Amino acid sequence: DTGVSQNPRHKITKRGQNVTFRCDPISEHNRLYWYRQTLGQGPEFLTYFQNEAQLEKSRLLSDRFSAERPKGSFSTLEIQRTEQGDSAMYLCASSGLAGLTNTGELFFGEGSRLTVL
Amino acid sequence: KQEVTQIPAALSVPEGENLVLNCSFTDSAIYNLQWFRQDPGKGLTSLLLIQSSQREQTSGRLNASLDKSSGRSTLYIAASQPGDSATYLCAVNGAGSYQLTFGKGTKLSVIP
Repeated sequence: DTGVSQNPRHKITKRGQNVTFRCDPISEHNRLYWYRQTLGQGPEFLTYFQNEAQLEKSRLLSDRFSAERPKGSFSTLEIQRTEQGDSAMYLCASSGLAGLTNTGELFFGEGSRLTVL
Repeated sequence: KQEVTQIPAALSVPEGENLVLNCSFTDSAIYNLQWFRQDPGKGLTSLLLIQSSQREQTSGRLNASLDKSSGRSTLYIAASQPGDSATYLCAVNGAGSYQLTFGKGTKLSVIP
């Protein structure tokens, strides 16, 4: 399978616990994005990596959220001290080179659904 | 701040009908617009990407148009099938940013 892979697909946790999601992009894509989607809403941008550099972050990415992309391959998104409001689908996408800030076509994974009790 | 609106929020049609989904955006300074399909509980599947210099793109029974100056895009689905039932999302890539701004989607139901 050469698509975007996300793990785990589902995570149920108690409030206050830390969780980590992993994303493996399409192998030849150097651009990686994280989005969050709640029920009935469109996805909202969280952050963007070009290779290993985190070039853009949304104000939605509070200090409890941290994302990394060591070596420019897979990426992790960690949420510390989870709150019930963090319950959502966390989506990862990747794209190849396009223009300077032209994203080109984004390809999404199946998402990681987080439920905070 | 870019805002994307999709009308209608939901649409139910009998199988075989042609249909149009609408997307509007407030800031015409965009690099591209992308249409996605999302099945319940799943990720997004890319359908069509239109660069800002293009007027339309076609893939099979799907045709997407872009009128950047008026801030509008339409997704035309020909000869709808029950398998087309899903939520359709449009998203714009604003100039100077790497993020896509999404609409809330149109939930399509095609009745056999």
